[in-house]
Amino acid sequence: DGGITQSPKYLFRKEGQNVTLSCEQNLNHDAMYWYRQDPGQGLRLIYYSQIVNDFQKGDIAEGYSVSREKKESFPLTVTSAQKNPTAFYLCASSTGQGQDTQYFGPGTRLTVL
Amino acid sequence: GQNIDQPTEMTATEGAIVQINCTYQTSGFNGLFWYQQHAGEAPTFLSYNVLDGLEEKGRFSSFLSRSKGYSYLLLKELQMKDSASYLCAVRDHGVSGATNKLIFGTGTLLAVQP
Repeated sequence: DGGITQSPKYLFRKEGQNVTLSCEQNLNHDAMYWYRQDPGQGLRLIYYSQIVNDFQKGDIAEGYSVSREKKESFPLTVTSAQKNPTAFYLCASSTGQGQDTQYFGPGTRLTVL
Repeated sequence: GQNIDQPTEMTATEGAIVQINCTYQTSGFNGLFWYQQHAGEAPTFLSYNVLDGLEEKGRFSSFLSRSKGYSYLLLKELQMKDSASYLCAVRDHGVSGATNKLIFGTGTLLAVQP
């Protein structure tokens, strides 16, 4: 089955701890993205990667880090520097060409206590 | 600057037709997407417009006017399962033309009543 997976669905962490959210895709997509969704706000872009071993900051990158060592994987680390990390995190991928529709994973709801 | 506006909430009746509007301002328009998102779930792709006019896909249609910075999503024969948020997203190729980022509106929460 082709698709995008994110794990876990729910994650709880103590304040001051770093946490890594996983995102894997088997769609052979070149581009991958991380968004954050908060109530009453649109999806906001954290980081994106158009090709392996390369990534760029989105609109709200502060307090986050990513890596893209494999085409299939784009993990996001929420560091202790992120002031308000509790949110719904969505990973997406696309071909990077043509219509370039982004397809989303199921999301991870992170709660920092 | 970049800005996308859509109504916060709408209510409609099962079996009826509803139109969800989206207006946008971007510097480098390169396509408009509509997504459906049920509570607590991922957005799912509904439609894409890059040229002016109407795109029809079953019960869902989407319209674009680039000169007016305007799009709408039309849902016909509404069903209870259509109760969800509908997200308008514009792709902007940016000042340099080197990137294609999606800018999302805040979404329109549609409630379908019996």
